[in-house]
Amino acid sequence: SQKIEQNSEALNIQEGKTATLTCNYTNYSPAYLQWYRQDPGRGPVFLLLIRENEKEKRKERLKVTFDTTLKQSLFHITASQPADSATYLCALEAGGFKTIFGAGTRLFVKA
Amino acid sequence: DVKVTQSSRYLVKRTGEKVFLECVQDMDHENMFWYRQDPGLGLRLIYFSYDVKMKEKGDIPEGYSVSREKKERFSLILESASTNQTSMYLCASSLGQGRNFYSYEQYFGPGTRLTVT
Repeated sequence: SQKIEQNSEALNIQEGKTATLTCNYTNYSPAYLQWYRQDPGRGPVFLLLIRENEKEKRKERLKVTFDTTLKQSLFHITASQPADSATYLCALEAGGFKTIFGAGTRLFVKA
Repeated sequence: DVKVTQSSRYLVKRTGEKVFLECVQDMDHENMFWYRQDPGLGLRLIYFSYDVKMKEKGDIPEGYSVSREKKERFSLILESASTNQTSMYLCASSLGQGRNFYSYEQYFGPGTRLTVT
């Protein structure tokens, strides 16, 4: 079955730097991959979706890449701000509209 | 904006009780989902529904059932609550088939933190 690996260790970076989070999967390449943001005590919020035939997607300060050869997606936040501190979840298509989620990586941006 | 609401933010129940968690979405979405979230395990899908009265088992359906009698409402039922069902429960919805596209992005409710003692 499909497994998703996100770095369980928190990522600490300085304000203004680029944060890069990694999502690796182990089995078949999904038709699409999503990234969500989750703040403590709240439900996840959708950020970006990238399809298997897309290499890269951007939205404001966010950039997602999708490498089906490496079975990996990278999520970048440029010019990071303390308000970007949250847990970021990677989610993969798992057949039809079913999605499986990774455990997430916690990001801390220091002022 | 899509709004997904859940009936309770916090709930404390005793072992063996029947528990109902309600979820309502206001955007006429086709698909609705119930997840539980535990530290280190991420979100795990319990059940989902792609239409009224239709349901499919997710990855961890044991001990749970669901009901979708109206499009906007998706209920999760714990038939006989047990302590290992103590968790954060999250409901989500997604549009599904739009006019010219299929939308997969999910909109989540605030979650219900259930404690079973």
